[in-house]
Amino acid sequence: KQEVTQIPAALSVPEGENLVLNCSFTDSAIYNLQWFRQDPGKGLTSLLLIQSSQREQTSGRLNASLDKSSGRSTLYIAASQPGDSATYLCAVRPDTGNQFYFGTGTSLTVIP
Amino acid sequence: NAGVTQTPKFQVLKTGQSMTLQCAQDMNHEYMSWYRQDPGMGLRLIHYSVGAGITDQGEVPNGYNVSRSTTEDFPLRLLSAAPSQTSVYFCASSYSDTPVYGYTFGSGTRLTVV
Repeated sequence: KQEVTQIPAALSVPEGENLVLNCSFTDSAIYNLQWFRQDPGKGLTSLLLIQSSQREQTSGRLNASLDKSSGRSTLYIAASQPGDSATYLCAVRPDTGNQFYFGTGTSLTVIP
Repeated sequence: NAGVTQTPKFQVLKTGQSMTLQCAQDMNHEYMSWYRQDPGMGLRLIHYSVGAGITDQGEVPNGYNVSRSTTEDFPLRLLSAAPSQTSVYFCASSYSDTPVYGYTFGSGTRLTVV
């Protein structure tokens, strides 16, 4: 079974700092990987979807990279803002089957 | 375009009661699924459907039933609620079960079983 790990579990940074969130997975046979944002008491908002054939995806201040062979993905947030405070989840879709496997998330706090 | 709509947002049940969590999407997505989110465990798949009339079990299906009579709706039924089913439930949909597509999530239903 695919295991997805996100480290650290919590992160606190001052506003304006660039930061990296990490996601690792145990089985490299994945089809794609998706990063989500979850605000307290809310649903999941999709940030970026990276196909296994891609190395990275960018959206605004966000950049996600994927190293499938080493089982790792990173989410880079540039010039962090207090509005970026949320929990960030990564999920991987294996080559077979019909589900995503989720990490437990990194809780980010950006201090004004 | 409302996306994925879940109702109710909050619910308290007594042990042994039954209820249905509703999920509807207006994006003509073929694939729909139910996840539960528990502290420290990540989201886990309960049931999923790849189209009207087709459902299958996920990782944690016990105690739950689903049906898919239309493309738009995918209700989740708790047959006899137990405290272990206290969780936040999310419905997610995708254009199809083809892996290239990502998920769209609803805002969740927070269920407490006492």
